[in-house]
Amino acid sequence: EVQLVESGGGLVQPGGSLRLSCAASGFTFSSYWMSWVRQAPGKGLEWVANIKQDGSEKYYVDSVKGRFTISRDNAKNSLYLQMNSLRAEDTAVYYCARASDAFDIWGQGTMVTVSS
Amino acid sequence: SYVLTQPPSVSVAPGQTARITCGGNNIGSKSVHWYQQKPGQAPVLVVYDDSDRPSGIPERFSGSNSGNTATLTISRVEAGDEADYYCQVWDSSSDQGVFGGGTKLTVL
Repeated sequence: EVQLVESGGGLVQPGGSLRLSCAASGFTFSSYWMSWVRQAPGKGLEWVANIKQDGSEKYYVDSVKGRFTISRDNAKNSLYLQMNSLRAEDTAVYYCARASDAFDIWGQGTMVTVSS
Repeated sequence: SYVLTQPPSVSVAPGQTARITCGGNNIGSKSVHWYQQKPGQAPVLVVYDDSDRPSGIPERFSGSNSGNTATLTISRVEAGDEADYYCQVWDSSSDQGVFGGGTKLTVL
């Protein structure tokens, strides 16, 4: 079964850091671009970042540039999102998604809450 | 940055046809993807590359794209189609993904 499972969410204070993980299974992880997409409570979807198959290209939404870093470990079939200098507006459910041009496979999401 | 505009809400009676639009500058030159999201669930891809359907998505879901507007059409609407729908493209000028604001489909 093709599956993505996120972990690592939680409550963090403003200015703090958090690392999200996404474990992939059921497909050849190293053959696909991968992305993170987030959704603030009661709001729409927002693309956050994506990474090429070999990690050589990475792109970010302007609001997280310089604060978030996307990475992957193809040997472990895993995708990561290192989030630093977190702000209240980063509070959201974070989804990892397989990016076959469209986002054709999604995880169940992990909640990140930035609050003091 | 590229902007996609969707109507906040669309209402339709069961058995009728729902049309959800997604506006963007010359969107007809881009590939548009559509997602369905029900409360508390992750989004699901329902149409990709303007008009193709992933396996398992009913033929009632179709898409079109031309000029400045892309459209998701849901024929013979059922109560289970009630959800939020999002359009999405890739902005090649900035190498960023872009989502529309979402449309809440209500089945009357």
